Amino acid sequence: DTEVTQTPKHLVMGMTNKKSLKCEQHMGHRAMYWYKQKAKKPPELMFVYSYEKLSINESVPSRFSPECPNSSLLNLHLHALQPEDSALYLCASSQEGFPYNQPQHFGDGTRLSIL
Amino acid sequence: EDKVVQSPLSLVVHEGDTVTLNCSYEVTNFRSLLWYKQEKKAPTFLFMLTSSGIEKKSGRLSSILDKKELSSILNITATQTGDSAIYLCAVGKGAQKLVFGQGTRLTINP
Repeated sequence: DTEVTQTPKHLVMGMTNKKSLKCEQHMGHRAMYWYKQKAKKPPELMFVYSYEKLSINESVPSRFSPECPNSSLLNLHLHALQPEDSALYLCASSQEGFPYNQPQHFGDGTRLSIL
Repeated sequence: EDKVVQSPLSLVVHEGDTVTLNCSYEVTNFRSLLWYKQEKKAPTFLFMLTSSGIEKKSGRLSSILDKKELSSILNITATQTGDSAIYLCAVGKGAQKLVFGQGTRLTINP
């Protein structure tokens, strides 16, 4: 088990549905991340939150809407997704160590299927 | 454009063998190089390298960074079936962004 918890583990939704992915960590990390991983591909960064503020948006379509309600929680709100959005969505967290990197610790992901 | 290239893409060896995985990069604003192991789910952090020529070790795994050659290697000695996984190399670009390579799929046969 990882120290970053993601729910749900699996999600199937239609293109008109609205759903949310949740991520929680209790390691005191102040940076949190959303990644998208397609089959047999590496993770691709979507969003970064630092001290609960959005610091990086990698030109992600607006049908994905991130939210960081507090330092332990990260949500990804989904609306009107397309079949090509089907993927494993990974959450990660790290210490905030600007200007240096800190190791990111990943959750097990939510496997999302869009019908 | 930033690039992280891993080789080989796939490797099959017998238990007990030693393997070397390669990672080369062209990334602006380089800060560090990280290695992760991914089995079925979460990538698991292995090493972070920032200084050239200093080897990091953890049990049978070790890694070293060569900033002059813009590359890193990950060595695994006395491989076990539990080492079978995808090994991901990632380069830290600035303080928060990781650029991942495509991974090396390692299979250890008993």
